[in-house]
Amino acid sequence: DIQMTQSPASLSASLGETVTIECLASEDIYSNLAWYQQKPGKSPQLLIYYANSLNDGVPSRFSGSGSGTQYSLKINSLQSEDVSIYFCQQNYDSPWTFGGGTKLELK
Amino acid sequence: EIQLQESGPGLVKPSQSLSLTCSVTGYTITSGYDWSWIRKFPGNKMEWMGYISYSGSTNYNPSLKSRISITRDTSKNQFFLQLNSVTTEDTATYYCARSGWGVMDAWGQGASVTVSS
Repeated sequence: DIQMTQSPASLSASLGETVTIECLASEDIYSNLAWYQQKPGKSPQLLIYYANSLNDGVPSRFSGSGSGTQYSLKINSLQSEDVSIYFCQQNYDSPWTFGGGTKLELK
Repeated sequence: EIQLQESGPGLVKPSQSLSLTCSVTGYTITSGYDWSWIRKFPGNKMEWMGYISYSGSTNYNPSLKSRISITRDTSKNQFFLQLNSVTTEDTATYYCARSGWGVMDAWGQGASVTVSS
């Protein structure tokens, strides 16, 4: 199985700040990387697929980048509604596997 | 707009089987996509369990292969999860989702299942 290592595990940031979450795959996943947001008490929602494609309705302050084994999710101008757990997931090879999650809180 | 809704018992005894239903509205499960089950353990670890495709073929996570079965009822636009011989380590929130090429673009609200005697 492809292992996904996500960092940091938790993050505290101020409103308006820019935050970056990293995801490292154990092998090349050729940009087959998705990011999900899970708000408190809600189910996960797709933010980004194929490393940098924004899902419909996702604010443009979210962006994804990366290639090979290294990927990142950037949130510009942090808003209060961005408080969530963020997960990366590889869909290059079955079984699909997830990172351990990053809990984002407001400072 | 597609909506998915999980249903089933919230408490299962060890060694018994866990059975959940995912009811889909707004999209016909035989029209396309794969239909997945994912679970989230206490502590946030997420595990993709498997899917049934629009054509009825299945793909399971090898870590569960001997215990899992995903089936469907196309007349009711539902698909099902059965996980056999559960232990306390199967305690989790179970989600159904629509997936395309492994990307889960629509999720149910989740069903919390506790395995305990």
